[in-house]
Amino acid sequence: DTGVSQNPRHKITKRGQNVTFRCDPISEHNRLYWYRQTLGQGPEFLTYFQNEAQLEKSRLLSDRFSAERPKGSFSTLEIQRTEQGDSAMYLCASSLALGIEEQYFGPGTRLTVT
Amino acid sequence: KQEVTQIPAALSVPEGENLVLNCSFTDSAIYNLQWFRQDPGKGLTSLLLIQSSQREQTSGRLNASLDKSSGRSTLYIAASQPGDSATYLCAVVSGGTSYGKLTFGQGTILTVHP
Repeated sequence: DTGVSQNPRHKITKRGQNVTFRCDPISEHNRLYWYRQTLGQGPEFLTYFQNEAQLEKSRLLSDRFSAERPKGSFSTLEIQRTEQGDSAMYLCASSLALGIEEQYFGPGTRLTVT
Repeated sequence: KQEVTQIPAALSVPEGENLVLNCSFTDSAIYNLQWFRQDPGKGLTSLLLIQSSQREQTSGRLNASLDKSSGRSTLYIAASQPGDSATYLCAVVSGGTSYGKLTFGQGTILTVHP
């Protein structure tokens, strides 16, 4: 499979727990993006990596959120002390770094905080 | 700050009808514009990407146009089918960026009934 993959696909957690999501981009893609989508809305940008460097973070990404991309391959997004407002679809996308290239999206991780 | 708006929010049509989805953006200095399809609970599938220097792109029954100066794009779907039922999202990459952060509209929910 050469597409973007995300795991888990669904996560239900209780408020206050920590969760971690994983994204595996298309293998030759240097750029990796995280977006968050709440019900009935379009996705909103969270953060961007080029190789292992995190180059931009949205103000949506509070101190409870952290993202990493060790060795410039897969990426993880961790949410600490989850709140009900964190319930959303978390989408990952990747692209080449040859300019402004088309982004390819994964299937997303649906988080429900109870 | 770039803002993207999609009209209508929802559309229901009988099978076979031709239809137009609208997208507008506030800052005309864009790098490109992309139309996506999203099925319920799923990730995003790219339909068409229009570079800022282009006026339109076509793929099968889909045609997307771009009028950058007026900040508008339309997605035309010919001979609609029940399988076209999905949420359609418009997104732009704003100019002056070195990478491809997307700003999305809120989407148009399309239902094509037999």
